[in-house]
Amino acid sequence: NFMLTQPHSVSESPGKTVTISCTGSSGSIASNYVQWYQQRPGSAPTTVIYEDNQRPSGVPDRFSGSIDSSSNSASLTISGLKTEDEADYYCQSYDSSKGVFGGGTKLTVL
Amino acid sequence: EVQLVESGGGLVQPGRSLRLSCAASGFTFDDYAMHWVRQAPGKGLEWVSGISWNSGSIGYADSVKGRFTISRDNAKNSLYLQMNSLRAEDTALYYCARGSNPGLLVFRFDYWGQGTLVTVSS
Repeated sequence: NFMLTQPHSVSESPGKTVTISCTGSSGSIASNYVQWYQQRPGSAPTTVIYEDNQRPSGVPDRFSGSIDSSSNSASLTISGLKTEDEADYYCQSYDSSKGVFGGGTKLTVL
Repeated sequence: EVQLVESGGGLVQPGRSLRLSCAASGFTFDDYAMHWVRQAPGKGLEWVSGISWNSGSIGYADSVKGRFTISRDNAKNSLYLQMNSLRAEDTALYYCARGSNPGLLVFRFDYWGQGTLVTVSS
């Protein structure tokens, strides 16, 4: 079964840039779109990136997404970190008509 | 405004059944696929099941296949999840989520409810 692997946690200082990776277990991660969701404690997830690199309206351009086929991975990059960015981030894709989530990455902005 | 409101969660004994509902409003319900996504306490997100706009395509995670049944009633703008033979590992917050497309060829969840908690325990 297709799986997505994320680092358990990352931390960075306000104003800096952080990148969260999401590595596919098999096949080509570029074959299907990757989404990224932000989840703050006690709240439902919200989309910060969809279709690999698209931002929904209302999401600041500090958030960007990319695909690296050579490493079979997707990345979420957040620049100009703010304390409000502290949250859990999940990558998501699909395979064989099933949804697949990464395990989630806890971002600490300290 | 898109709204998804889940209901039907609660405490249930292992082996018993529960039916979750999701009431949708603020959009044309039968234009979109719908999904259930769950999150065990302190854990990550897990896709559970999805259904296309006309119920013609349905998918399940391996962990629930054969025990859970997804359905929808487009006349009532409602999504359901019938959960049978419940196990302790099914304990989670169950979210209803709207798919971004009518079918199940592309999976993207663009709106989420606030979830309903299912606890399976004796």
